[in-house]
Order: sequence, then C-alpha cells, then structure tokens
Amino acid sequence: AQTVTQSQPEMSVQEAETVTLSCTYDTSESNYYLFWYKQPPSRQMILVIRQEAYKQQNATENRFSVNFQKAAKSFSLKISDSQLGDTAMYFCASHSGNTGKLIFGQGTTLQVKP
Amino acid sequence: GAGVSQTPSNKVTEKGKYVELRCDPISGHTALYWYRQSLGQGPEFLIYFQGTGAADDSGLPNDRFFAVRPEGSVSTLKIQRTERGDSAVYLCASSPGRDDEQYFGPGTRLTVT
Repeated sequence: AQTVTQSQPEMSVQEAETVTLSCTYDTSESNYYLFWYKQPPSRQMILVIRQEAYKQQNATENRFSVNFQKAAKSFSLKISDSQLGDTAMYFCASHSGNTGKLIFGQGTTLQVKP
Repeated sequence: GAGVSQTPSNKVTEKGKYVELRCDPISGHTALYWYRQSLGQGPEFLIYFQGTGAADDSGLPNDRFFAVRPEGSVSTLKIQRTERGDSAVYLCASSPGRDDEQYFGPGTRLTVT
C-alpha cells in the first residue's frame, strides 16, 4: 500500500523569504507520480507542482520547486519569495499507476506573515 | 472553460437520513474520483470511475455508501442512514484520463446532526 507522510503540521515564513515543506512516501510501484496541492480556506484544491518518478530532474514552476530524492523516498517543496497569497494548507500526494487515485499526506498549514 | 462543480456546497442532515451529493466534471473528462476530507486531514480516496463503470471502489467505507455515473459524465454519491461520523467535506475530481492531472471541485460540506 502507498503511504504519504508530512511531519510538519504547521509552518510559518516571513513574506519574501523561502520555506521548505517536507514529505516522505512509500510505494511498491515502479511507475508513479508525486504532487503538491494547495488548499486555501475556499476548499478548492489547486495543483502546485507535479513530478514524474522516472525523471531525475527536479520539477520547477515559477517560485515553486521540488527536491525529489527517489532513493530516500523524499519529496520536499520549496517556495521562494513567499507571498501572502501562499497562505494555505499544502498537501503532498502520490499517484497510483494502477487506478490513478491520489494518496494524500496529512497536510502542512503554511502561514506567510507580512 | 467551466471547472468541476459540486452541489450542494453545504448540506446539513439529521442522523439516519439519506443524502445525495452531485458532481459535474469537466466536459470530456472520462475519469472521475470521489474523496472524503475530514477536518484537518488530507483527502481520502473513495471511488474512481472510468466512463460509466466504477473501476475502483476500494475506498468506500461500508455498504451505506454508493456512487453512480450512468452516462459517463455527472456522478452522484449516495449515503444511506447517515451517521455523525460521515460529517466531512466530499471532494470530486475529474481528469482526461487515469494518468492525467486531476481537477478538483470546491467540495460539498456534509454535516450530520
């Protein structure tokens, strides 16, 4: 069975600074994807970034980048130049290659302070 | 274009009642997923449809929960004899195919009193 663990329930960062959210996962599948989703108070789940496990290069989307360590089964998210609008709950998730269902971690609440 | 929509956005019901939650996926998306999110937790998978059929219903907690997608577009999640423990946000997501990005709806917050 796949599992995803986020060990930081809450994080805070000053506006314009950099913050890293941690995630570890476990899977027996050889073909899988990893994701970071953002969920603001509106409840809308928004995809932040996606990483294919077969790609060695870390994914980057503007101010968001990941550090994907496949052997260690680690997938952290780095947010650079934090903005007030980044305040939200962030979920790490793995994707089952068999059915496509997402397995989510427990989430990290990020607060960006002015 | 229109995203995934869910109705109602909030539903309050009494213990023991029957409820239906509706999901309208993005047009053309063949894959549809239901998740349940309890307060302060990550979403948990309930069921996955590919077209009209349930390809994976391993996440449904018990036989009080049932979902349908008769024409391969709109889906309805049905909960019989609701219990207080069913209170949660129910999220629906759709994607063009199984391995594509999932687009989420805003969810239905169900409260069982």
